[in-house]
Amino acid sequence: SQELEQSPQSLIVQEGKNLTINCTSSKTLYGLYWYKQKYGEGLIFLMMLQKGGEEKSHEKITAKLDEKKQQSSLHITASQPSHAGIYLCGAELPLTQGGSEKLVFGKGTKLTVNP
Amino acid sequence: DAEITQSPRHKITETGRQVTLACHQTWNHNNMFWYRQDLGHGLRLIHYSYGVQDTNKGEVSDGYSVSRSNTEDLPLTLESAASSQTSVYFCASSYRQGNTEAFFGQGTRLTVV
Repeated sequence: SQELEQSPQSLIVQEGKNLTINCTSSKTLYGLYWYKQKYGEGLIFLMMLQKGGEEKSHEKITAKLDEKKQQSSLHITASQPSHAGIYLCGAELPLTQGGSEKLVFGKGTKLTVNP
Repeated sequence: DAEITQSPRHKITETGRQVTLACHQTWNHNNMFWYRQDLGHGLRLIHYSYGVQDTNKGEVSDGYSVSRSNTEDLPLTLESAASSQTSVYFCASSYRQGNTEAFFGQGTRLTVV
């Protein structure tokens, strides 16, 4: 089963519109990361959230981690074609066997921004 | 500048052959990870390491192995390549356990024919 659920799987918006991508876990997250990937390329780090209720912004992208640290949202304001790509959330989750954490990712959200 | 590099960027191999994908980072990071990315599955963890001589299995480790003989490198070996292992492979590294961002390589596109 997927440990991090992202929604929606894909999103098509008109340039200038706002949008939100969600990432949900059934477990408490030690750290939540948002990455962006363009087709055929590696992942680019966007933001990291650690504390419940934390919110960070970079340019027109805002990410929040809820108080229980089990859900995060990524909000883009006034979207532009440059925002297009695949957005992935990643998190440190405890191993089922106990002990150390592992870094896992959601399946990603493909964002298309039409001019 | 410090970086993480993967090689080769593209590889075509035949079923049954042994293949090794290289990952090299110059940040002196303790943690290194290998993922595969497939349509509909996202990034899935293959193996990871928290330091020299430490290796751990991820969720899709069957048919893959890694070794960590130094801090900078974590090569991924496919013992006997299968068509199901056709994928894009990403290597990542991070400084320490938890609460630090991971840096990703540019990926290796592997095709098994």
